[in-house]
Amino acid sequence: GESVGLHLPTLSVQEGDNSIINCAYSNSASDYFIWYKQESGKGPQFIIDIRSNMDKRQGQRVTVLLNKTVKHLSLQIAATQPGDSAVYFCADPPSSTRDTGRRALTFGSGTRLQVQP
Amino acid sequence: NAGVTQTPKFQVLKTGQSMTLQCAQDMNHEYMSWYRQDPGMGLRLIHYSVGAGITDQGEVPNGYNVSRSTTEDFPLRLLSAAPSQTSVYFCASRLRDSSYNSPLHFGNGTRLTVT
Repeated sequence: GESVGLHLPTLSVQEGDNSIINCAYSNSASDYFIWYKQESGKGPQFIIDIRSNMDKRQGQRVTVLLNKTVKHLSLQIAATQPGDSAVYFCADPPSSTRDTGRRALTFGSGTRLQVQP
Repeated sequence: NAGVTQTPKFQVLKTGQSMTLQCAQDMNHEYMSWYRQDPGMGLRLIHYSVGAGITDQGEVPNGYNVSRSTTEDFPLRLLSAAPSQTSVYFCASRLRDSSYNSPLHFGNGTRLTVT
């Protein structure tokens, strides 16, 4: 998968606004998705996950929406804060323990979120 | 829990030198893996392990060795460093489950420069 790089799409939002970050996937058989946040100099940090039997899942200030018809995920961050500035990407893990090893976690293209004060 | 701990945080090597990147987790995760992250290339899997005594190759294993003598530790060895191995290395672990999936937990990385 494609991911973090020098030419990431960037989303710039004002502090307090809501942010929506999108991700497309290609594998119709994918049944589990994860959103990660990566701050500069740190490793990817788990934010929220969703299984394919769900359309929506909510966490603290974050909501993930899954549209299986068009193979699309979105991450919504409510009341965006400066601490939310980071690179965000979705990941498509192996769907079973049999597949766990060799098929690496596939990371979608990252999006750099910049929060303007 | 400390989670996934990687050492060192930074390392500079000369071509041909060897070193070991350390990774330890205290979450009793069976599955552990090593990724490298390069600009424009994303995260690529180097090696992984589904349990103590078991290791296997990922997408980019050449130039790296691993071992898994305990559940907690999964060191990555560079036997003869090359400039192409300049990268940020991440160790990650997860539960190995059969009933549901669980997310990978990442360490904070080792930034390696090979001159």
